[in-house]
Amino acid sequence: RKEVEQDPGPFNVPEGATVAFNCTYSNSASQSFFWYRQDCRKEPKLLMSVYSSGNEDGRFTAQLNRASQYISLLIRDSKLSDSATYLCVVRNAGNMLTFGGGTRLMVKP
Amino acid sequence: SQTIHQWPATLVQPVGSPLSLECTVEGTSNPNLYWYRQAAGRGLQLLFYSVGIGQISSEVPQNLSASRPQDRQFILSSKKLLLSDSGFYLCAWVDFRANYGYTFGSGTRLTVV
Repeated sequence: RKEVEQDPGPFNVPEGATVAFNCTYSNSASQSFFWYRQDCRKEPKLLMSVYSSGNEDGRFTAQLNRASQYISLLIRDSKLSDSATYLCVVRNAGNMLTFGGGTRLMVKP
Repeated sequence: SQTIHQWPATLVQPVGSPLSLECTVEGTSNPNLYWYRQAAGRGLQLLFYSVGIGQISSEVPQNLSASRPQDRQFILSSKKLLLSDSGFYLCAWVDFRANYGYTFGSGTRLTVV
């Protein structure tokens, strides 16, 4: 079993749609959680951290369920520019990050 | 300000040739540094990490090595490249500005021919 699992997609959605990505992690001792975004042929960039109480950044909402070891990302009012691969990331002891395989999103006009 | 630099951006090398990729960090001291590889259409694979000068931990035994000759310099090397070494190589550091997530360099796209 992979330590961080994501549906690889692709998710094909029209502009303006709401789309949700899910992620599960296996290490109950994981300490921090993130969503990264990776554009084609570019480096991954931090999209947002994920906090236990849930957090929002504009059109993006992240939630964490520690009991179920489950992380989600909701994107509202999708834009063409949201097309990318979204990586679920957990941090374990020693500042080591473990990356999921990514979920590809394609937003169509 | 803290920044991370990688070079070159792209590289085409013949099989059997040596490799040296360099990563430097500015504006911080004693960073934890990481080398990742991403094969085409695949996820990130951790290759090496370093918590200080001369300290290298290898995650995957293979045709590559890493060195940290200076506090803010991390080098990835190979004596003889294989076709399977092709990929997107990324250097990263633990960035307190990113809630102790990683900030990546812009990467080196290596094609072994």
